Amino acid sequence: QKEVEQNSGPLSVPEGAIASLNCTYSDRGSQSFFWYRQYSGKSPELIMSIYSNGDKEDGRFTAQLNKASQYVSLLIRDSQPSDSATYLCAVKGSGAGSYQLTFGKGTKLSVIP
Amino acid sequence: GEEVAQTPKHLVRGEGQKAKLYCAPIKGHSYVFWYQQVLKNEFKFLISFQNENVFDETGMPKERFSAKCLPNSPCSLEIQATKLEDSAVYFCASSHGGDYGYTFGSGTRLTVV
Repeated sequence: QKEVEQNSGPLSVPEGAIASLNCTYSDRGSQSFFWYRQYSGKSPELIMSIYSNGDKEDGRFTAQLNKASQYVSLLIRDSQPSDSATYLCAVKGSGAGSYQLTFGKGTKLSVIP
Repeated sequence: GEEVAQTPKHLVRGEGQKAKLYCAPIKGHSYVFWYQQVLKNEFKFLISFQNENVFDETGMPKERFSAKCLPNSPCSLEIQATKLEDSAVYFCASSHGGDYGYTFGSGTRLTVV
């Protein structure tokens, strides 16, 4: 059973602070990792993808991957109230059916003005 | 088009009735995925297609759920004899496959009463 674990939160940070979201996964052979943002009542929106160990930066977002520890994180710098949403970690597994994404249950982020 | 189009947005069915949901993937995307989102954030994989062929159906409750992706038609997900526990938001997503992430449609909210 492939699992993706996230702290459900809510995670509250003040406006302008760094929000740190974490995710662990069980399938050691996983190769592709994604962060989605989902506003309440809306569909998930892809914000970051990462495939190699290390950091990947895109604007205020940085994804970090450590395959040895089976750990993925998302940092949001200069957090804004508009960043308040649920952040879903998704992992593409290895082997047959590997195009299927397994999602964590999401971390709810609240950015306090 | 550049969006995944799902219809209808809302669907209400009496217990035991049939429900049919539709999804038009992004043109050029060869993979289509159906997910069920219940209890706020829990995503359950149902089925995936590569073009019109079933790619992975390990998540489908086969006794009541069926899905198709036919050429030149929207993909469909059909639930025969709906049950109360089928109430959820059903998301369709499409992808190029490989290491690409998914693009989600806006979802269909199914309410079984």
